[in-house]
Amino acid sequence: KQEVTQIPAALSVPEGENLVLNCSFTDSAIYNLQWFRQDPGKGLTSLLLIQSSQREQTSGRLNASLDKSSGRSTLYIAASQPGDSATYLCAGAPRDGGYQKVTFGTGTKLQVIP
Amino acid sequence: DTGVSQDPRHKITKRGQNVTFRCDPISEHNRLYWYRQTLGQGPEFLTYFQNEAQLEKSRLLSDRFSAERPKGSFSTLEIQRTEQGDSAMYLCASSFARRTRRETQYFGPGTRLLVL
Repeated sequence: KQEVTQIPAALSVPEGENLVLNCSFTDSAIYNLQWFRQDPGKGLTSLLLIQSSQREQTSGRLNASLDKSSGRSTLYIAASQPGDSATYLCAGAPRDGGYQKVTFGTGTKLQVIP
Repeated sequence: DTGVSQDPRHKITKRGQNVTFRCDPISEHNRLYWYRQTLGQGPEFLTYFQNEAQLEKSRLLSDRFSAERPKGSFSTLEIQRTEQGDSAMYLCASSFARRTRRETQYFGPGTRLLVL
């Protein structure tokens, strides 16, 4: 059974700082890995999707990497802003047929202080 | 608004009552998913539909839960005889399955259920 872990559970940084969020998964046979953002009381917004054949994806100030051999993914946020404050979730989709069924981590709650 | 919508956004009910939630996916999406998220946890998969067919159900979906997608468009999730442990955020997501299998799930705002 796939298990996804995110460390740290919470992070507070001053505005402008570059930061890295970590995601670890136990089963390297994933089909893709996705990073989401969740604002309090809201649904999920997809940020980046990395296919198993890819190493990284970039969107604006966000860069996500995937290392299947070590079972890790990182989300890099450059020049953080107060508007980046939210909970960030990673989710892996398995390769074996049920690839639509993603397993989520518990999230990292980020606070960017002005 | 062309995103995924869910109704209601909030529901408070008494234990033992039945509740029904609705999800309207993005119109051209053929897949629809239901997830449940409890406080401090990531969402957990409940079930998904390909068009109108329900193809997979999680063990979390007890016999008190039933989901339908009668015309392959909107979906409903019903919980019968609610229990306090059913209190959670219920999230709906939709996607368009392509031959390349590269799939992005778009999530709705969720329905927050509180069972008293």
